[in-house]
Amino acid sequence: AQSVTQLGSHVSVSEGALVLLRCNYSSSVPPYLFWYVQYPNQGLQLLLKYTSAATLVKGINGFEAEFKKSETSFHLTKPSAHMSDAAEYFCAVSLSGAGSYQLTFGKGTKLSVIP
Amino acid sequence: DSGVTQTPKHLITATGQRVTLRCSPRSGDLSVYWYQQSLDQGLQFLIQYYNGEERAKGNILERFSAQQFPDLHSELNLSSLELGDSALYFCASSVVDRPTDTQYFGPGTRLTVL
Repeated sequence: AQSVTQLGSHVSVSEGALVLLRCNYSSSVPPYLFWYVQYPNQGLQLLLKYTSAATLVKGINGFEAEFKKSETSFHLTKPSAHMSDAAEYFCAVSLSGAGSYQLTFGKGTKLSVIP
Repeated sequence: DSGVTQTPKHLITATGQRVTLRCSPRSGDLSVYWYQQSLDQGLQFLIQYYNGEERAKGNILERFSAQQFPDLHSELNLSSLELGDSALYFCASSVVDRPTDTQYFGPGTRLTVL
């Protein structure tokens, strides 16, 4: 079975500092991986996804993630945090079941940005 | 705005009652997914429909059911409600059913069972 683990339920960074949110996956086959962001009282929005085309994936709002097979990781980074980045971030894997593909999510990491 | 709409936004009801949550997918999307988000369980997949037919089931209780209509909108029916059913229910849609398809999420329906 495929799953994802997000290390750190809560991460705090200073405005302008590097953002690093960790995600490790377990999969017996090449995974398809996603990062979603959820702002307070809103639905989830896709930041970026890995579909095996390139290991370094660039997303919206300056975020990017690198797929590292040797480390089974797909960490999300942003060089300089902005106050508007404060939100909850979810890593997800596309899980095959009976011919369909649903998302299995990690438990989420809440990002706080300190002015 | 993802293009996925959900109604109602909030729903407050009592234990033992039945409610219906509605979802309209993005124009042209054939797949509809339902997820439940709660503090203790996190985000969990419930059920998927593809072009009117049930495609996959996840951690969905027998008291819950769903359907997708010919116009592709979907409804999630929750019956014999319990306090533990209080959660955010999200609908998502995608174009078809490939593993790399982006799922677009609606704003959710917050269900409170008293």
